[in-house]
Amino acid sequence: AQSVTQLGSHVSVSEGALVLLRCNYSSSVPPYLFWYVQYPNQGLQLLLKYTTGATLVKGINGFEAEFKKSETSFHLTKPSAHMSDAAEYFCAVSKGGGNKLTFGTGTQLKVEL
Amino acid sequence: DAGVIQSPRHEVTEMGQEVTLRCKPISGHDYLFWYRQTMMRGLELLIYFNNNVPIDDSGMPEDRFSAKMPNASFSTLKIQPSEPRDSAVYFCASSLASGGSSGNTIYFGEGSWLTVV
Repeated sequence: AQSVTQLGSHVSVSEGALVLLRCNYSSSVPPYLFWYVQYPNQGLQLLLKYTTGATLVKGINGFEAEFKKSETSFHLTKPSAHMSDAAEYFCAVSKGGGNKLTFGTGTQLKVEL
Repeated sequence: DAGVIQSPRHEVTEMGQEVTLRCKPISGHDYLFWYRQTMMRGLELLIYFNNNVPIDDSGMPEDRFSAKMPNASFSTLKIQPSEPRDSAVYFCASSLASGGSSGNTIYFGEGSWLTVV
């Protein structure tokens, strides 16, 4: 079975600091991995995804993630946090069948002045 | 292009009442998903359709829940009778999976916020 684990349900950073949100996956086959962001009272928006090819994936709003097979990880990073980055972030793995997604439990990112 | 459109955005209903949530997927998408989000259980897949046919409804919590997709541009999720524990955000999402390939993006609607009192 495929699943993802997000370490840390809440992460707090200072504005301008590095953002690091952790995601580890378990999969018996090469996975398709996604990061989604959910702003308060809104739906989910795709930040980035890894399917095949380059293991460093760049997404919207300055975010990027690196697929590391040896570590079974797909951590999300951003060099410099902005107040507008405050949101909940979900890591997800595709389970085939039209890309049925299995989500992690989410990480709430707080950005402080 | 219009995204996934859900209605109603917010609904408050009394226990025992029927609730119908509606979804219009992105035009041309052949997969449609219904997810539920709660604090306790996070995001759960309830059911998904391919070309209007239900493929996997193993996530539907119980017989009080039903979903239909009468055509490529419309789907409903119905709860009858509703209970307070059904209070959640219900998301509809759609994707295009040409040739059955995985890795395509799933697009989410804004959600229907349901409160059952």
